[in-house]
Amino acid sequence: RKEVEQDPGPFNVPEGATVAFNCTYSNSASQSFFWYRQDCRKEPKLLMSVYSSGNEDGRFTAQLNRASQYISLLIRDSKLSDSATYLCAVFPSGGGADGLTFGKGTHLIIQP
Amino acid sequence: DAGITQSPRYKITETGRQVTLMCHQTWSHSYMFWYRQDLGHGLRLIYYSAAADITDKGEVPDGYVVSRSKTENFPLTLESATRSQTSVYFCASSESRFLVTDTQYFGPGTRLTVL
Repeated sequence: RKEVEQDPGPFNVPEGATVAFNCTYSNSASQSFFWYRQDCRKEPKLLMSVYSSGNEDGRFTAQLNRASQYISLLIRDSKLSDSATYLCAVFPSGGGADGLTFGKGTHLIIQP
Repeated sequence: DAGITQSPRYKITETGRQVTLMCHQTWSHSYMFWYRQDLGHGLRLIYYSAAADITDKGEVPDGYVVSRSKTENFPLTLESATRSQTSVYFCASSESRFLVTDTQYFGPGTRLTVL
């Protein structure tokens, strides 16, 4: 099983809709979880840290499910500008990589 | 507020040549990281540094060398470039090591092509 897995998509979603994606991780001892946004040919930018109790930032909500070992990202009232690749990151991953381990990303396309 | 910068932004080199990618941050962050991003693999950690003169290997360190003589700089050297090292390289920095309350900032990336 890969350490951090995401559905690569693409998710094609109409503007204004709600979209959610998950990210599963294999190490039950993982402590820190993050969602990053990456636009085409740009650097990743931190979107949200994921707290144990879940957290919300405007239209974005992140949740952590330790029992099932996944984190989720919910985007409400999606905008065209939300089109991007969303990367989840976990630390530690348990795979020997002594740093943040990233998923390969979920590609989101918001359609007008 | 320069933040974190990388140079060069684009580089084409030939197999066997030595290449150095530069990374500079203005926040005095303790931690700095080098990642490479490839289609099909996502972002992978090459090396990281907890402070000046302290470096450690990440997931894919082979063929790379790093140094950190000053807090603000973290150069990555490919000692003898190979085609498999063609990639986009991102430098990143953070105040701490992956605390959930912390933020890891990425530089704009260097696109390296090895012919």
